[in-house]
Amino acid sequence: DTEVTQTPKHLVMGMTNKKSLKCEQHMGHRAMYWYKQKAKKPPELMFVYSYEKLSINESVPSRFSPECPNSSLLNLHLHALQPEDSALYLCASSQSTGSADTQYFGPGTRLTVL
Amino acid sequence: KQEVTQIPAALSVPEGENLVLNCSFTDSAIYNLQWFRQDPGKGLTSLLLIQSSQREQTSGRLNASLDKSSGRSTLYIAASQPGDSATYLCAVLGSQGNLIFGKGTKLSVKP
Repeated sequence: DTEVTQTPKHLVMGMTNKKSLKCEQHMGHRAMYWYKQKAKKPPELMFVYSYEKLSINESVPSRFSPECPNSSLLNLHLHALQPEDSALYLCASSQSTGSADTQYFGPGTRLTVL
Repeated sequence: KQEVTQIPAALSVPEGENLVLNCSFTDSAIYNLQWFRQDPGKGLTSLLLIQSSQREQTSGRLNASLDKSSGRSTLYIAASQPGDSATYLCAVLGSQGNLIFGKGTKLSVKP
């Protein structure tokens, strides 16, 4: 099973709302990632968690707050977002952050900020 | 700063044709290179991973090569099918586990 699941599939929120995106994998992977993909652009890395510890934060604004409650779950908490934050948010996981490890991606959450 | 470029940006071919997609990167200090497929509005599907010490990988009708010294990779698709229509993304893995993507090649295979 090489499945990464993400919920919800679609999310519409106002600029004053607080919402969360959820990602789950049951492959025993110890590295999990959040990427942001704008329309017609490639994915851009936001955060990397390795063994439930944040190892990379690519200078992401504080209105995005990641959380890794256990080795299978990764959340992205959203607060006071801007319309330009509308994008496809992709979660990925891999065995580790090592060079031999394929990253497996979820289907993404399509976020629209009004 | 690592930059990944994919050429062409779009490609349309008739069914059955063999084709090559190109990827180049500016910094040869990569840990691996991955090819992904993305269907419209969907997530990414990993196709092939080539480690920095390898020259090529094959999976079914797909063959990917890597020339790290020249900063190039190619994805060869044999006997293309309409179901191969998608955007193909090349990504290199940096030292911190971060994938850096090219902008992709949008492939259309006509029946």
